[in-house]
Amino acid sequence: GAGVSQTPSNKVTEKGKYVELRCDPISGHTALYWYRQSLGQGPEFLIYFQGTGAADDSGLPNDRFFAVRPEGSVSTLKIQRTERGDSAVYLCASSLTPEHEQYFGPGTRLTVT
Amino acid sequence: ILNVEQSPQSLHVQEGDSTNFTCSFPSSNFYALHWYRWETAKSPEALFVMTLNGDEKKKGRISATLNTKEGYSYLYIKGSQPEDSATYLCALHTDKLIFGTGTRLQVFP
Repeated sequence: GAGVSQTPSNKVTEKGKYVELRCDPISGHTALYWYRQSLGQGPEFLIYFQGTGAADDSGLPNDRFFAVRPEGSVSTLKIQRTERGDSAVYLCASSLTPEHEQYFGPGTRLTVT
Repeated sequence: ILNVEQSPQSLHVQEGDSTNFTCSFPSSNFYALHWYRWETAKSPEALFVMTLNGDEKKKGRISATLNTKEGYSYLYIKGSQPEDSATYLCALHTDKLIFGTGTRLQVFP
């Protein structure tokens, strides 16, 4: 079956602009996660959803970052007033429940110039 | 906050060499420890899910062990091949994944 998909695969934007990153999880997976991998580091947790609600958003770095999952399926990560430090690979993963294994998308590489 | 450490940060080996990486962690309070293989522009690929102390898993030339009492897991690759070149990540599974910094492996023909 279809895996986790993310769009776009690459995004280049100017400092100060707004961006949206999209994640399509595996059908039927109730849990959805966003991670961010900056150069030289491992992926870092940003936020996870159980259904439509954010169960844990403790990893969001500041209030410029926001994520939604209005119908409990597709999720959008929104970044306002982008900064060069936001440049990273943004990974999305989904799982049947939080206790089950997570399956990852290929990521979106965001570059802020 | 759990801190997961991996060593070495990078590794360059010749084709045919065997190699191993370490993942260390301070707590045994997690559902499982995961090993992933990640190539640039691709999805991280799950290699192993380790759940029990003394757990040992094997898939072809790659194997992994887990020691929760002493807080480490090893990943072994026997007879490395150029296609094994990738970043290898370990992650503790709590209600989310807590990743180490990864080991970047480069296998030269």
